[in-house]
Amino acid sequence: EAQVTQNPRYLITVTGKKLTVTCSQNMNHEYMSWYRQDPGLGLRQIYYSMNVEVTDKGDVPEGYKVSRKEKRNFPLILESPSPNQTSLYFCASSLAPGGGEAFFGQGTRLTVV
Amino acid sequence: SQQGEEDPQALSIQEGENATMNCSYKTSINNLQWYRQNSGRGLVHLILIRSNEREKHSGRLRVTLDTSKKSSSLLITASRAADTASYFCATDGLHSNYQLIWGAGTKLIIKP
Repeated sequence: EAQVTQNPRYLITVTGKKLTVTCSQNMNHEYMSWYRQDPGLGLRQIYYSMNVEVTDKGDVPEGYKVSRKEKRNFPLILESPSPNQTSLYFCASSLAPGGGEAFFGQGTRLTVV
Repeated sequence: SQQGEEDPQALSIQEGENATMNCSYKTSINNLQWYRQNSGRGLVHLILIRSNEREKHSGRLRVTLDTSKKSSSLLITASRAADTASYFCATDGLHSNYQLIWGAGTKLIIKP
């Protein structure tokens, strides 16, 4: 089954404690991206990747890092989380950037206290 | 950056009625997509309409695109309780550097 898998689904952490949210897709998609979703603000892109070893900043990259060492995986790293990073995070992949259907993971609800 | 803006922000209708949501955007686009999101879950792609298309159908969904007005509408006919969700439009702009730009969504509630 074609899918994007994110882990964990829920995470509560403390300020400053490094964390990684994993994302994996099984569709051989080249394009992957991370979004955060906050009430009233819709989806805002954090980072995206056009292919292995190619990543670029989206609209709200501050406080986040990503890597794309393999085509299927695109982890999101918060080196020093802060309460303003409390949000619902989504990973998405598509065959081509913007040009077709994006497949989304189920989301990771992160709370930073 | 926000490009798409959905209207209305929230819509509540009776089951069986038609639901219409609108999306406006600011810059020229390659295509526009509509997605559905059930509460707190991942978004699911509904339909994509290209800039040279004016109307597209998929089951009970009908999407129109007016590039002169920079707007699109999503019509759901004969609504069902299962259609209760938030609906988002996303645009692939001509100069967007491969980013999809998302609106804030329309929350649709179907009353049984």
